[in-house]
Amino acid sequence: DIQMTQSPSSLSASIGDRVSITCRASQSITTYLNWYQHKPGRAPNLLIFGASSLQGGVPSRFSGSGSGSAFTLTINNLQPEDFATYYCQQSYSTPFTFGQGTKLEIK
Amino acid sequence: QVQLVESGGGLVKPGGSLTLSCVASGFPFSDYSMTWIRQAPGKGLEWISYISSSSTFTNNADSVKGRFTVSRDNAKNSVFLRMKSLRVDDTAVYYCARDQSRGLDVWGQGTTVTVS
Repeated sequence: DIQMTQSPSSLSASIGDRVSITCRASQSITTYLNWYQHKPGRAPNLLIFGASSLQGGVPSRFSGSGSGSAFTLTINNLQPEDFATYYCQQSYSTPFTFGQGTKLEIK
Repeated sequence: QVQLVESGGGLVKPGGSLTLSCVASGFPFSDYSMTWIRQAPGKGLEWISYISSSSTFTNNADSVKGRFTVSRDNAKNSVFLRMKSLRVDDTAVYYCARDQSRGLDVWGQGTTVTVS
């Protein structure tokens, strides 16, 4: 199985900041990497698919990059609604494993 | 609108069984693969089960292999997760999601399973 490792596990930032979250796969997954935002009590929301493609309806301050085994989610100009937990997921081979999550908190 | 609605969660004793259902609306259900994901209390998301659009291919995580079975009825726009030999560590919110091949783009609101 492909292991997905996110860093950091938690992050504190302020409104207006730029933050980056890293996700590493235990083997190459080319660009089969997705990012989700999850808020308590709500369903997760797909932000980025194919490593860098923005899902429809997602603000352009979210961006994704990377290929192979190293990926980054960047959020520019943090807004209050962005404070949540973020997960990467590989869709290269089953089981389509998730990273352990990164909790983004308000500083 | 595009929607997934899960049901069937509840309280069950260790060793018991439960079947979750997920009904889709607003899109051509038979065109999409479907996935079940869960989140245990205080833990992250865990991918657990996948079924292709025509049920040709299914796959389960090692943590549920041999205990959970995924199936679907395209005529009823429904996907199911049959769970047996339930354990305390199966306690979680269970989500179904639509698989757009690259990413899970539509999620249900989740149904809670408590094994105690």
